[in-house]
Amino acid sequence: KAGVTQTPRYLIKTRGQQVTLSCSPISGHRSVSWYQQTPGQGLQFLFEYFSETQRNKGNFPGRFSGRQFSNSRSEMNVSTLELGDSALYLCASSLPPGGQGNYEQYFGPGTRLTVT
Amino acid sequence: GENVEQHPSTLSVQEGDSAVIKCTYSDSASNYFPWYKQELGKRPQLIIDIRSNVGEKKDQRIAVTLNKTAKHFSLHITETQPEDSAVYFCAASIPRRSYKLIFGSGTRLLVRP
Repeated sequence: KAGVTQTPRYLIKTRGQQVTLSCSPISGHRSVSWYQQTPGQGLQFLFEYFSETQRNKGNFPGRFSGRQFSNSRSEMNVSTLELGDSALYLCASSLPPGGQGNYEQYFGPGTRLTVT
Repeated sequence: GENVEQHPSTLSVQEGDSAVIKCTYSDSASNYFPWYKQELGKRPQLIIDIRSNVGEKKDQRIAVTLNKTAKHFSLHITETQPEDSAVYFCAASIPRRSYKLIFGSGTRLLVRP
């Protein structure tokens, strides 16, 4: 199976602009989570989607939003970009629980966002 | 609130020695604990995980132990090799609520040849 893919891989934006990042989960996976990775704050949870519904949201401002489509692909959007939004944005996909539950999450390669 | 503390932040070992990384979680409801390895410029890769109904799990040179009472879990790497050099992250979650992972701050492991 193909792994988690993210596009674009690299992005340079200017303060005040907005950006949309895309994530395609592993085929059959229905849960997608997003994380922000920075040297100072480490890996921080942004949101989680399951069957097109946001199931959980991290402690980020409302400028950060996301959605999931019926094919489980997900997008996240950041509006009014700030310098501090420069980071690696990672998405992870996982199967829904069933029986004993399968909790493993697999990460995509990330989108490196630089805000100037 | 939810928190995972990870120690040490950096660890340097001689090739062939063992390495141990420790994590402590705050939410006693946490019941799933994965470990990820991230090489420079690459994605985090799941290397091993453990659930709260198990005290220890091994996979070749890697093992994870869990102490639910103390809310501690640890990663043990034996017979370290230079290719083990990377940043290791522990995490905790409560999958029945959400797949949200709370990560530790990471440990940079350097294995000296």
